[in-house]
Amino acid sequence: ETGVTQTPRHLVMGMTNKKSLKCEQHLGHNAMYWYKQSAKKPLELMFVYNFKEQTENNSVPSRFSPECPNSSHLFLHLHTLQPEDSALYLCASSQDLNYGYTFGSGTRLTVV
Amino acid sequence: AQSVAQPEDQVNVAEGNPLTVKCTYSVSGNPYLFWYVQYPNRGLQFLLKYITGDNLVKGSYGFEAEFNKSQTSFHLKKPSALVSDSALYFCAVRDPDSNYQLIWGAGTKLIIKP
Repeated sequence: ETGVTQTPRHLVMGMTNKKSLKCEQHLGHNAMYWYKQSAKKPLELMFVYNFKEQTENNSVPSRFSPECPNSSHLFLHLHTLQPEDSALYLCASSQDLNYGYTFGSGTRLTVV
Repeated sequence: AQSVAQPEDQVNVAEGNPLTVKCTYSVSGNPYLFWYVQYPNRGLQFLLKYITGDNLVKGSYGFEAEFNKSQTSFHLKKPSALVSDSALYFCAVRDPDSNYQLIWGAGTKLIIKP
């Protein structure tokens, strides 16, 4: 275990469903990130939170909604997704914005 | 524009042979460079980083990388490959003079054959 825990590990959802991905870290890190990983494409940064404040939203569609209630937890709320949203969603944390990341194992999302 | 290139989608190496996974970058300032490894069905794991100092950086699992400023490269190397090194390897760069975001390469699949 890396210290960053993501649940669920796998998720299959219909296009009309609402679901949430959860990320938890107890490393004392202050920054948390959501990434999307699709096959044969570079990692896509979706959202960045630093000290619970969202600092980046890289033109992510509104059907993805992040929530960071405290420095240890990060959620990604999903609704009315499209099949092209199927991917591995990775959460990461870092001591601050200038440090390397610790990644979770990811949630494999399939939209049907 | 800032970018990272990993020119090889896949690298095949025989066990016991040296391996190299290539990475070149383009940033406007002095780069922070990283290598991460991803095993199947897992998240990315940090291998090593270059911030400043010695151009040869040693990391986890016997890997090392050499920062070459003139060639804007940061190739990952290991003297003797193991079958267990088979994984997906990602190079990333951060331009500290621009913003804190990591720019990622597309990844290189490393296959070590017994």
